[in-house]
Amino acid sequence: AQSVAQPEDQVNVAEGNPLTVKCTYSVSGNPYLFWYVQYPNRGLQFLLKYITGDNLVKGSYGFEAEFNKSQTSFHLKKPSALVSDSALYFCAVRDPGNTPLVFGKGTRLSVIA
Amino acid sequence: KAGVTQTPRYLIKTRGQQVTLSCSPISGHRSVSWYQQTPGQGLQFLFEYFSETQRNKGNFPGRFSGRQFSNSRSEMNVSTLELGDSALYLCASSSGTGFGEQYFGPGTRLTVT
Repeated sequence: AQSVAQPEDQVNVAEGNPLTVKCTYSVSGNPYLFWYVQYPNRGLQFLLKYITGDNLVKGSYGFEAEFNKSQTSFHLKKPSALVSDSALYFCAVRDPGNTPLVFGKGTRLSVIA
Repeated sequence: KAGVTQTPRYLIKTRGQQVTLSCSPISGHRSVSWYQQTPGQGLQFLFEYFSETQRNKGNFPGRFSGRQFSNSRSEMNVSTLELGDSALYLCASSSGTGFGEQYFGPGTRLTVT
């Protein structure tokens, strides 16, 4: 069965600095990978996904993620963090086929002015 | 295009009661998934429906059930409520392909006393 791990519960970064939120996964086939963001008292918002093709995926709000098959990772990155990026970030993975989308436990990002 | 809507937004119930939550997906989406979100367990997958058929089911007791109607609207029901059922219940809709992103509603906050 597929699984995903977000090794950091909390990431703190200064405004203007680059940020990275880590994600590793385990699947039996080629993965479908997703990042979502959740702001307080809101549902999740889709940021970006990797299905196939270029390993560097660009998404909403200036975020990007790099798919690394050998390290089974899909880290979320942004070159310059904003205070408004402070939120809860979820990585998710899905095996091809009609399997459920499995989420990591989430990483709370705090960007400090 | 209207987003995913969930009703009610907030519910307070007593142990032993039952509850029904409703979800209206984005127009044209045929897949609806339900998740339970709690601070300790993160996002736990409940079930997924596609064209009125349950396609996947998570590891929840039989007290949790759901269904999908011909217009793709979905309901989930929890019978014999327990204190541990207190959570944010999120509904997500998608086109139904494995690589399609899910779009989340704002959630229903259920409190069991």
